[in-house]
Formats: sequence, C-alpha cells, structure tokens
Amino acid sequence: QSVLTQPPSVSGTPGQRVTISCSGSSSNIGGNTVNWYQQLPGTAPKLLIYSNNQRPSGVPDRFSGSKSGTSASLAISGLQSEDEADYFCAAWDDSLNGHVFGTGTKVTVL
Amino acid sequence: QVQLVQSGAEVKKPGASVKVSCKASGYAFANFGISWVRQAPGQGLEWMGWISTYNGNTNYAQKLLGRVTMTTDTSTSTAYMELRSLRSDDTALYYCARDQSGGDEDYWGQGTLVTVSS
Repeated sequence: QSVLTQPPSVSGTPGQRVTISCSGSSSNIGGNTVNWYQQLPGTAPKLLIYSNNQRPSGVPDRFSGSKSGTSASLAISGLQSEDEADYFCAAWDDSLNGHVFGTGTKVTVL
Repeated sequence: QVQLVQSGAEVKKPGASVKVSCKASGYAFANFGISWVRQAPGQGLEWMGWISTYNGNTNYAQKLLGRVTMTTDTSTSTAYMELRSLRSDDTALYYCARDQSGGDEDYWGQGTLVTVSS
C-alpha cells in the first residue's frame, strides 16, 4: 500500500556507484521534499538525506540525493560492504495528509 | 546525545489494547514532536501519526483513525502510543522518532515488538 515506488533490489561491487529511484506523484514528491533512510539489518532506520539533498552531520558524502518532478534518487558512490542495507524514501503526501514511505530497496554489495 | 528509549516487547490477544512508551533524552523535549512508525515482519515502513510535544496536537494516519491515541508527558519527556482493537496484522515493530513538524524523523528509538496472537 506504499504510494512511493522503489526497485526491490540493486547491487554493485565495492567502489561502484549505484542509484536508487523513488517514484511518486504530484501530491507527495511533486510538491514536498524527500527524505531517505538507511536501515541496517536488525536496527532502526537512520536518517540519511533530508530536504531532497541535505546530509545530516556524520553521513558520508558518498551518499547524495536529488529530486526532479515527481521522482527522486539516492546515489551511493564508492560502494562499501557496510552499505548493505535497506533504503527507504519518504515524503509528505498532501492528499493523505500524512507521511508516506517508499516500498524499500535492498542494496547488496557483491 | 539524543536518545529515544522504548518499552519492551508485548504479546497481546486479538481485540486487546497495547500502550508503548518512548522516553526521550539529550534535547529539549518540547521543541520537537514525536512520530510513530511501524514495520510488519519483513515489510516496509508505515507512518502512524505525529504528536506535538508543545501543545499535544495530533495528526493520525487515516487508516488508524479511531484505534490509535498518541499522548505525551512533558514532566518525564515521555511519549506514548496506544493502539486498540488489535488484529493479527498489527503485529509489527513499533518505532518512535523525533520529528520537528511531521515527516522529518531524524532520531529513532530502538523499536518495540508487538505480537498479536490468540
């Protein structure tokens, strides 16, 4: 029932660059900012990117976010083994008057 | 440092209620709201709602209206989430998160597992 669509999985080798897409609509991504969360196995989510492309203190600059129209993307450059996790996008939805999360993407480092 | 510590795991029967607590420390409690997010086993994240710790205003997810109540106790910097008329599909990890205005969860609790089973 997620209204934001992400690919189920992406993979890459160490050092590679991978991107995760997040597709929404005019009522969410199209009119509001996007956050990205990283969830390592067995742990709580962690804020990775806020306001489309801002990194909280302590988040490596290997992680970057962007938004265009009703879609957003998260890029991980210089992929590392510790980046293996689930990643979720999120945005406020004006029609639902609530915060909506993406379907989630599992990143695997080969 | 900012910390949100949640209460322990719960096992409930269908139709019962559960109340999860979330004790905050390391920041001015009244300056940030609290969001609640749940995650069913092996599933994604679902926003449940947000409460202002300043004035108690709430915004609940439409699908939970009538079953969920969020409250805060500023004297102990603790937030609470009560879910009533529990069903098996309410089985999930329940997270609280610091959230300035709703939709900006920055620090998260460790999660509380609620299992609904007869």
